[in-house]
Amino acid sequence: SYVLTQPPSVSVAPGKTARITCGGNNIGSKSVHWYQQKPGQAPVLVIYYESDRPSGIPERLSGSNSGNTATLTISRVEAGDEADYYCQVWDSSSDPVVFGGGTKLTVL
Amino acid sequence: EVQLLESGGGLVQPGGSLRLSCAASGFTFSSYAMSWVRQAPGKGLEWVSTFSASDHNTYSADSVKGRFTISRDNSKNTLYLHMNSLRAEDTAVYYCARGGYYDTSGPMGYWGQGTLVTVSS
Repeated sequence: SYVLTQPPSVSVAPGKTARITCGGNNIGSKSVHWYQQKPGQAPVLVIYYESDRPSGIPERLSGSNSGNTATLTISRVEAGDEADYYCQVWDSSSDPVVFGGGTKLTVL
Repeated sequence: EVQLLESGGGLVQPGGSLRLSCAASGFTFSSYAMSWVRQAPGKGLEWVSTFSASDHNTYSADSVKGRFTISRDNSKNTLYLHMNSLRAEDTAVYYCARGGYYDTSGPMGYWGQGTLVTVSS
């Protein structure tokens, strides 16, 4: 089955840019969605179809996808961005919905 | 306003059964793919099962295939997850999530608050 690989953790200072990667075989050919989950809360969709943002999601969050890596970029990081982030794709395999292992974003 | 409200979680012994429900409101339920996603304590998200809106197909993770069954009642705007032969490793918070509009592969744009299932003797 298809595997998505994320770094377990990323740390960034307030006001800087955080980049969270999601690696997968030829992921650039797939649609990638990103979710944010804060402690004790349900996940929230923050980026869909690589780079679209749902209403209410700030423009500071953006996405890209090419080759074997998709990236969630958070500009001008704020303390409120501290959360776990998950990438997700649909793959035509035995387990079609695939989540990455998640990345914990820490704001220093 | 889209709302998803899960219920039915609780403590169950290994080998037991449980049925989860997800009551939906605020949108045309029958037009959207619906999924169950779980999260074991301190772990990441794990997809469990999806019920399409268009062709009524269902998809389930290999880890639950043959034990869990997803169903939906469009007349009651409710999604279900029937869980049999439960194991300790099924212990998790189970989330209901709304998928794409007649798009089984679409993003999960709305999530419920989850219901906790604990499998233990």
